[in-house]
Amino acid sequence: EVQLVQSGAEVKKPGATVRLSCKASGYSFTDYYMHWVRQAPGKGLEWMGLINPANGETVYTETFQGRVTITADTSADIAYMEMTSLRSDDTAVYHCATGARRASGASPLDPWGQGTLVTVS
Amino acid sequence: EIVMTQSPGTLSVSPGERATLSCRASQSINNNLAWYQQKFGQAPRLLIYGASSRVPGIPARFSGSGSGTEFTLTISSLQSEDFAVYYCQQYNYGPPVAFGQGTKVEIK
Repeated sequence: EVQLVQSGAEVKKPGATVRLSCKASGYSFTDYYMHWVRQAPGKGLEWMGLINPANGETVYTETFQGRVTITADTSADIAYMEMTSLRSDDTAVYHCATGARRASGASPLDPWGQGTLVTVS
Repeated sequence: EIVMTQSPGTLSVSPGERATLSCRASQSINNNLAWYQQKFGQAPRLLIYGASSRVPGIPARFSGSGSGTEFTLTISSLQSEDFAVYYCQQYNYGPPVAFGQGTKVEIK
C-alpha cells in the first residue's frame, strides 16, 4: 500500500523555524515528485513546492521562495519541509503528496499524507 | 499563471439528489484537470484525473466532464458520505500547481 506518514503537530513562536517530515512507503521513492501543500484553518489548498527525490531538484512558488526548503533523504525515503521566520499566518495544516514526474512539474497528487498542524503563537 | 475558479462556493443538496460542481480555468488546460474530495479533518482524496477518469475504488456516481477551460464534477445521487469540500486542480502547466478555491457540498 502506498502511504505517506507525516510527523506530529508543532507549536512554534513567531520567528522560529519548523521542520516537518513525510515518510513514504509502498513505492519507489525516487520515481515520483514529492509536493507540499498547506491549508490555513477554514481555507483552501495552497501549493508550496516540490522536490524530485531522484536528483534533489526543487521548485517553489514565489510566496515561499527563500523561506521554505524542501529536501529528501533517499536512504530513508523521507521528505522534509523546513520553513523559517514563522509568522502567525503560517498557522496551518501542511500536507505532503506524491505526483508523477511530468515535464510541467504538475500532476494529480495521490496519495496525500495525513497532514501536520503547525501552530505559530 | 493559471487561475482556477470554482462555483458555487456552497451547494445545498438533499440526499439522493444530483449535485453539479463547476470549475473554470483562466486559459485552456486541455483535459489536465483533477478533482479532490476533502472531508473535515482529513487529507484531500483524488477522485478524478484527466477530467473524466475515475480513480479505482471511487464510486460510479462520481463523474467528471469537460475540456479546455470548462469542467464539471457530477455526483449523480448524493450519499451522506459525499458531503464534503471538493477542489479542482489543473496540471497542464506548472509550477505553481493551481487549485480552485473549493465548493462545499452541504446537506439541504
